Amino acid sequence: GESVGLHLPTLSVQEGDNSIINCAYSNSASDYFIWYKQESGKGPQFIIDIRSNMDKRQGQRVTVLLNKTVKHLSLQIAATQPGDSAVYFCAGGGRRALTFGSGTRLQVQP
Amino acid sequence: KAGVTQTPRYLIKTRGQQVTLSCSPISGHRSVSWYQQTPGQGLQFLFEYFSETQRNKGNFPGRFSGRQFSNSRSEMNVSTLELGDSALYLCASSSSGGSEAFFGQGTRLTVV
Repeated sequence: GESVGLHLPTLSVQEGDNSIINCAYSNSASDYFIWYKQESGKGPQFIIDIRSNMDKRQGQRVTVLLNKTVKHLSLQIAATQPGDSAVYFCAGGGRRALTFGSGTRLQVQP
Repeated sequence: KAGVTQTPRYLIKTRGQQVTLSCSPISGHRSVSWYQQTPGQGLQFLFEYFSETQRNKGNFPGRFSGRQFSNSRSEMNVSTLELGDSALYLCASSSSGGSEAFFGQGTRLTVV
């Protein structure tokens, strides 16, 4: 089955710096990979996704990179802001039956 | 457009009891998925319903069950509650055709 994990449990960055959150996966059959953001007391919020046949996708201040050779996924957040402080999850598999990683807590220092 | 609504937000139950949680998806969404979130296991997929039929099921015991109604609202039930069932239960809805899943705020269940 799918196994999705994260390299670091906590990432601390300075406001204005770029953030990079990493994720490794095991199941090459995943159709999609998705990044979610979860703030305290809230449900996960969709950030960006990438299909398995792509290697890069950009959104507003976020970029997701997919390296299928090493089964690695990353989320880059440009000009990190205090509002970006949250736990970030990568998820893979089918859209309606996702396997989530354990999460990385992003702390933005003023 | 209203988001995914889960009720109740908080619940305290005693071991051995059963509980029913409710999820109202976004209007027009026919797929509802349920997830359990705990500090130790993270977010784990429970099951997914589409048009009143369970389409996918995660690796949870039979004490965990669900159903979906004709208006796409869904309920999940946990019988014979155990302390380890204490968790945040999240519901996500999506439209057909592979669109993104939108999560509700969850129901925090505490089993004492």
